[in-house]
Amino acid sequence: DSGVTQTPKHLITATGQRVTLRCSPRSGDLSVYWYQQSLDQGLQFLIQYYNGEERAKGNILERFSAQQFPDLHSELNLSSLELGDSALYFCASSVRATSYNEQFFGPGTRLTVL
Amino acid sequence: AQKITQTQPGMFVQEKEAVTLDCTYDTSDQSYGLFWYKQPSSGEMIFLIYQGSYDEQNATEGRYSLNFQKARKSANLVISASQLGDSAMYFCAMRGSGGSNYKLTFGKGTLLTVNP
Repeated sequence: DSGVTQTPKHLITATGQRVTLRCSPRSGDLSVYWYQQSLDQGLQFLIQYYNGEERAKGNILERFSAQQFPDLHSELNLSSLELGDSALYFCASSVRATSYNEQFFGPGTRLTVL
Repeated sequence: AQKITQTQPGMFVQEKEAVTLDCTYDTSDQSYGLFWYKQPSSGEMIFLIYQGSYDEQNATEGRYSLNFQKARKSANLVISASQLGDSAMYFCAMRGSGGSNYKLTFGKGTLLTVNP
């Protein structure tokens, strides 16, 4: 158990819908990262937050957005869903933005868009 | 830009034998970190081992060791005394330094199968 929690574990929805994925980092960790794992793209970095502020952006679509709340949990919002958004979405956390040697992953949310 | 290459899509090993999973990387950063993660069929990502670019000794964590050859830009994972539970997907990843380069860049992974 990495200490990072993600809900829900599975999500099935239809094209055009909007969903919210939730992540709670390990106790004491200030930085949260979101990754997407799909068969064709592999594991890709989406976005990073540190203590409530956006720190880095990767290959995140404009239809996707995220935020980190004062209690440090984070939410990833996916809207106007397409079939290609079906993937495993991971949240990871680390102690600080410059934590060099650890990034622990949550169990992931498997999103299926029908 | 950073790039991770894992050239072995799949590997087979006999139980109790050692196996090496290859990883090469490309970066222009002077300071960087290299990670290995294990992803079993259940899907979770399990952190295995970390090597910093300035670490003089190769990292070890139990049965896992990282064979770091900086000049060759390689960071191979060695698993000693393989166990059936080691069957999984293994990902090599790196993070850069400075600015916002704390994200991880992943390779495509190697599927390891341990045979009894």
